Amino acid sequence: DTEVTQTPKHLVMGMTNKKSLKCEQHMGHRAMYWYKQKAKKPPELMFVYSYEKLSINESVPSRFSPECPNSSLLNLHLHALQPEDSALYLCASSHGPRTGSYEQYFGPGTRLTVT
Amino acid sequence: KNQVEQSPQSLIILEGKNCTLQCNYTVSPFSNLRWYKQDTGRGPVSLTIMTFSENTKSNGRYTATLDADTKQSSLHITASQLSDSASYICVVSARSGGYNKLIFGAGTRLAVHP
Repeated sequence: DTEVTQTPKHLVMGMTNKKSLKCEQHMGHRAMYWYKQKAKKPPELMFVYSYEKLSINESVPSRFSPECPNSSLLNLHLHALQPEDSALYLCASSHGPRTGSYEQYFGPGTRLTVT
Repeated sequence: KNQVEQSPQSLIILEGKNCTLQCNYTVSPFSNLRWYKQDTGRGPVSLTIMTFSENTKSNGRYTATLDADTKQSSLHITASQLSDSASYICVVSARSGGYNKLIFGAGTRLAVHP
């Protein structure tokens, strides 16, 4: 199984809502990532989890809160978002972040619209 | 500053034709270079990954080349198909404190017309 799954596929939320994005992989990967991608732009790294611990936070606003309950799951909790946060949110995983040739496998993404 | 530049920004070709996409990078220390295909609204899918010592790698109709001296890579698509219409993203991995940071290019948007 070389698949990263993400739910939901689409999400529309108001600026006062609280919602969560979910990501799952069963490849035994120990590193998981959240990226944000605006239209016609490359993905931008948000967070990296290594062995279920947050290792990288790319100065992401606190209205985005990641969580890694176990080695297969990664969540992104959303609260009080702004319309400019509307984007495609991509999850990825790799065997580990510390070795040069590890491939990152991306999920299909969640299309988020903040109204 | 670590940068990855791709050209052209967009490209239109007819079905069955070949094309070549370019990637120039200034990334140090270099770990590896990847080409991804991304359909609109979907996650990127890996096509090839090359380390410093590899000059060429093929995946079906996709062939990537790497010249580590000139810091250039190309992705050649042979006998294009309509399904090749997508964005192609060059990504260079840089070692940074034990973590491999991916530097993304802006992508080339390829449209294959019948």
